[in-house]
Amino acid sequence: EAGVTQFPSHSVIEKGQTVTLRCDPISGHDNLYWYRRVMGKEIKFLLHFVKESKQDESGMPNNRFLAERTGGTYSTLKVQPAELEDSGVYFCASSHPQANTEAFFGQGTRLTVV
Amino acid sequence: GNSVTQMEGPVTLSEEAFLTINCTYTATGYPSLFWYVQYPGEGLQLLLKATKADDKGSNKGFEATYRKETTSFHLEKGSVQVSDSAVYFCALSRNFNKFYFGSGTKLNVKP
Repeated sequence: EAGVTQFPSHSVIEKGQTVTLRCDPISGHDNLYWYRRVMGKEIKFLLHFVKESKQDESGMPNNRFLAERTGGTYSTLKVQPAELEDSGVYFCASSHPQANTEAFFGQGTRLTVV
Repeated sequence: GNSVTQMEGPVTLSEEAFLTINCTYTATGYPSLFWYVQYPGEGLQLLLKATKADDKGSNKGFEATYRKETTSFHLEKGSVQVSDSAVYFCALSRNFNKFYFGSGTKLNVKP
């Protein structure tokens, strides 16, 4: 069974540009989460999808970040325009619809804004 | 609010040494506690968990006990191996849907 897959693994962009990160969850996992780790600090929650609906987006830092999950399958996280402080590692995770089940994480996308 | 504090790294040990990585938490109510591990080039993997006070989680020789009185969940292993070199994250969650992570502790084990 394929795990959570994230694309790209690395991205280097200039300040002001747009970047789109993609996450493919494990098949059948209705729950999808985005997290971010900035500058070696703690990993912080960004948002949670249940199928295509945003269940909790309390961690989204500002309106330059837009997450979508059309059709309830893969998800994208767009940063527009990117700022220097957006640099970090973005993790995606997914879990089965059954309550209190393990979340499986992807390898992460390392974003560097220069 | 909810937060996790874990010891800063890196921690460097010789093979077969004893490992302790400290983790304390602040939370409302009674969360579940977790240790995740990230090996080089890989994603986060669940290492162990404990869902209530005094529970002990264990896996691959690692252990951690949920101590409500000290709000702690320290990770221990009696004899580390080179293959244990990784970054370890302590975390808490109320409902398995939103995790609060610590800042991670990098472990280097030398042969």
